[in-house]
Amino acid sequence: QKEVEQNSGPLSVPEGAIASLNCTYSDRGSQSFFWYRQYSGKSPELIMFIYSNGDKEDGRFTAQLNKASQYVSLLIRDSQPSDSATYLCAVTSGTYKYIFGTGTRLKVLA
Amino acid sequence: DAGVTQSPTHLIKTRGQQVTLRCSPKSGHDTVSWYQQALGQGPQFIFQYYEEEERQRGNFPDRFSGHQFPNYSSELNVNALLLGDSALYLCASSLMGQGDLNTEAFFGQGTRLTVV
Repeated sequence: QKEVEQNSGPLSVPEGAIASLNCTYSDRGSQSFFWYRQYSGKSPELIMFIYSNGDKEDGRFTAQLNKASQYVSLLIRDSQPSDSATYLCAVTSGTYKYIFGTGTRLKVLA
Repeated sequence: DAGVTQSPTHLIKTRGQQVTLRCSPKSGHDTVSWYQQALGQGPQFIFQYYEEEERQRGNFPDRFSGHQFPNYSSELNVNALLLGDSALYLCASSLMGQGDLNTEAFFGQGTRLTVV
């Protein structure tokens, strides 16, 4: 079982719709959860982080964490073509390293 | 406020050669982590440096080594390059917080290494 799992996609949504990206993790001791956006050929860019169960909103983005079910999700409201990218989920568990999933490719169709 | 800077941006090396990649962390950050990202994969943790010492290491051979300088900048060295070392090498900087937990990490633009 991979430590952090994401559906590779592509996930296609029409412009203006809500995009829902999911991530599951195997280590119950995981403490911090991050979402990064990565455009093709570029480096990852931090979108959001979440530490506690529940929802955290920042503009059009909402991160949701459910530690009991060991999943974290990212919702993107009013999706725009510029949101088309690969979204990486990363988890830390009290150690110093980030464990990344393989990423979900999102396509927002104009 | 300068972000994380890496050099060079692109590099082509021959098998068996050695390479050094450089990273300057974001202003105010004191911790540097290095990641390797192969095409279509997520970044894989190589190691992390804090207070000029390696704090943790991922599953990478000893051919991969690093260093952190007093100004918090860092180098990644790879010896005896293999074709499989071709990847995007990412430097991430963060701030060591309370309880030895890092703040969120910010990535540099990466160094694309091609081994031929």
